[in-house]
Amino acid sequence: EPEVTQTPSHQVTQMGQEVILRCVPISNHLYFYWYRQILGQKVEFLVSFYNNEISEKSEIFDDQFSVERPDGSNFTLKIRSTKLEDSAMYFCASRGQPNTEAFFGQGTRLTVV
Amino acid sequence: SQQGEEDPQALSIQEGENATMNCSYKTSINNLQWYRQNSGRGLVHLILIRSNEREKHSGRLRVTLDTSKKSSSLLITASRAADTASYFCATDVGAGNQFYFGTGTSLTVIP
Repeated sequence: EPEVTQTPSHQVTQMGQEVILRCVPISNHLYFYWYRQILGQKVEFLVSFYNNEISEKSEIFDDQFSVERPDGSNFTLKIRSTKLEDSAMYFCASRGQPNTEAFFGQGTRLTVV
Repeated sequence: SQQGEEDPQALSIQEGENATMNCSYKTSINNLQWYRQNSGRGLVHLILIRSNEREKHSGRLRVTLDTSKKSSSLLITASRAADTASYFCATDVGAGNQFYFGTGTSLTVIP
């Protein structure tokens, strides 16, 4: 069964460092998303991406964040200068069409120290 | 905020009992989805109900949607210990490209 894969599963980084979280969406999907979840809390929307551009972004997704689809398979989230409060689980999701089931990866746990 | 609210925040029941979780939202929606999350894991899609549907079933799951009250409920019948997880509703809004999660219900099923 096709699945969304995320790497790494866990990343520890020092405050101020740049991190890139990687996702491989399901191959024929066109709509991509990043969400984050601070431990035990709600799942927060960060950004949606379609046709090689951002469709929508939340107020969390400030200038420190960027997304890219560098090739036909990867979808990345970059945080330029990490802060302690960026520590969270980051989930990537994809779906083939709007208003349909979205498939999530297992997440990357980011710890900023 | 476009996120929904779920209640209860936490629910503890005995195995075999039914579990009901509710989701309320604020804006018009295209559809509503329910997801499950085991502790520390990813989100697994359970069921999607469209705005023109009122009820949907999938196995032991029953979802209702009342757009006039902007609310939905998820019923899990004959619960099992393996149903222990957090359950989230998510609403598709606007042009349908983005969806937003509710605050979640943590369900514990005691064997």
